[in-house]
Amino acid sequence: AQTVTQSQPEMSVQEAETVTLSCTYDTSESDYYLFWYKQPPSRQMILVIRQEAYKQQNATENRFSVNFQKAAKSFSLKISDSQLGDAAMYFCAYSGGGADGLTFGKGTHLIIQP
Amino acid sequence: SQTIHQWPATLVQPVGSPLSLECTVEGTSNPNLYWYRQAAGRGLQLLFYSVGIGQISSEVPQNLSASRPQDRQFILSSKKLLLSDSGFYLCAWSRSGGQPQHFGDGTRLSIL
Repeated sequence: AQTVTQSQPEMSVQEAETVTLSCTYDTSESDYYLFWYKQPPSRQMILVIRQEAYKQQNATENRFSVNFQKAAKSFSLKISDSQLGDAAMYFCAYSGGGADGLTFGKGTHLIIQP
Repeated sequence: SQTIHQWPATLVQPVGSPLSLECTVEGTSNPNLYWYRQAAGRGLQLLFYSVGIGQISSEVPQNLSASRPQDRQFILSSKKLLLSDSGFYLCAWSRSGGQPQHFGDGTRLSIL
């Protein structure tokens, strides 16, 4: 079974600075998808960024980018120019693709200091 | 554009009572549908998923069941709720081809 590990229960960063959230996963598959979801206090789950394992290029979405290291099974999220609205729980998730459900990590609580 | 609706937003139920949570998707056909549960302070756990009408796959044996009576409708049910069923329940959908998944606003279920 696949597992996803987020080793940082909580991270704090000053507004406008850069922060990196860590995620590692375990799978025997060669094709899969990885995601970062954001859950603000409203508890809505919002897709931040996705990465297909067959793509070597790291995904980027505006201030959000990932560092995907397939051999190391590592998938970190970098948030540049942190904003107060970035404060939330961030979940790393894995999917084998197709109709497969998502396997989530336990989350990292990100605090933005003004 | 596609939207997902989930209700109710909040529910307080006594132990032993039945449960029915509903989720509907608009703007797409033949979606994959999912139910997740988030216990306090934890990540999400997949409960059920469905790739078509009447097709339900269960990931975790438990006191809950799911049904898909229509293409874009997914229902989570229980005949008798347990205290351990408390949590935040999220419905999600994806295109029939696969990822990514998009989530509804969730239902906060409290069992007394």
